[in-house]
Amino acid sequence: DQQVKQNSPSLSVQEGRISILNCDYTNSMFDYFLWYKKYPAEGPTFLISISSIKDKNEDGRFTVFLNKSAKHLSLHIVPSQPGDSAVYFCAASAGGGSNYKLTFGKGTLLTVNP
Amino acid sequence: EAQVTQNPRYLITVTGKKLTVTCSQNMNHEYMSWYRQDPGLGLRQIYYSMNVEVTDKGDVPEGYKVSRKEKRNFPLILESPSPNQTSLYFCASRPTGGYRDEQYFGPGTRLTVT
Repeated sequence: DQQVKQNSPSLSVQEGRISILNCDYTNSMFDYFLWYKKYPAEGPTFLISISSIKDKNEDGRFTVFLNKSAKHLSLHIVPSQPGDSAVYFCAASAGGGSNYKLTFGKGTLLTVNP
Repeated sequence: EAQVTQNPRYLITVTGKKLTVTCSQNMNHEYMSWYRQDPGLGLRQIYYSMNVEVTDKGDVPEGYKVSRKEKRNFPLILESPSPNQTSLYFCASRPTGGYRDEQYFGPGTRLTVT
């Protein structure tokens, strides 16, 4: 039973355009959501997070939107750059962030073409 | 430099030959965890530790052991490796307390069991 789903294994966009990565979850106890970025031969690195008390969080070119009623979140990257090409993992936790167990999605490979 | 280190980075071994993958962090983090990444399955938690001498099972603990005798180290032990443990392994750490659930990941250990 996959509790965090990233249904698009890959996404290709042109440099300068918007990248939208989607994530759905089924566990209504999840209240904190994170996005990690992973380059080949490296460990995942934290990108941005959002708690369930918000519906939007921005950090530079990266914005995460949360729709609790739809159990859906999305990561927007504007403008996309070739250096953004990586695998993006959506992750979720329950317990207000104090629960240290993260449940990850399968990841989406983003390719930004020059 | 704050980091999580893993050794070895690459390992090829044979079925049944005991091995240990080391993990060390220099950030004085209480929480440490092991994940495995498999194609089409994303990141799955194996074991985690909230502090010294405190460990607990994650989602896929079968075939693995861990110990936490020191705060900085969290080795992953495969007593009798099998081919289905061929995977990419990541160690992660984070401080306890606080709301953000950002975890810091090591560079990964690619294990092949023949």
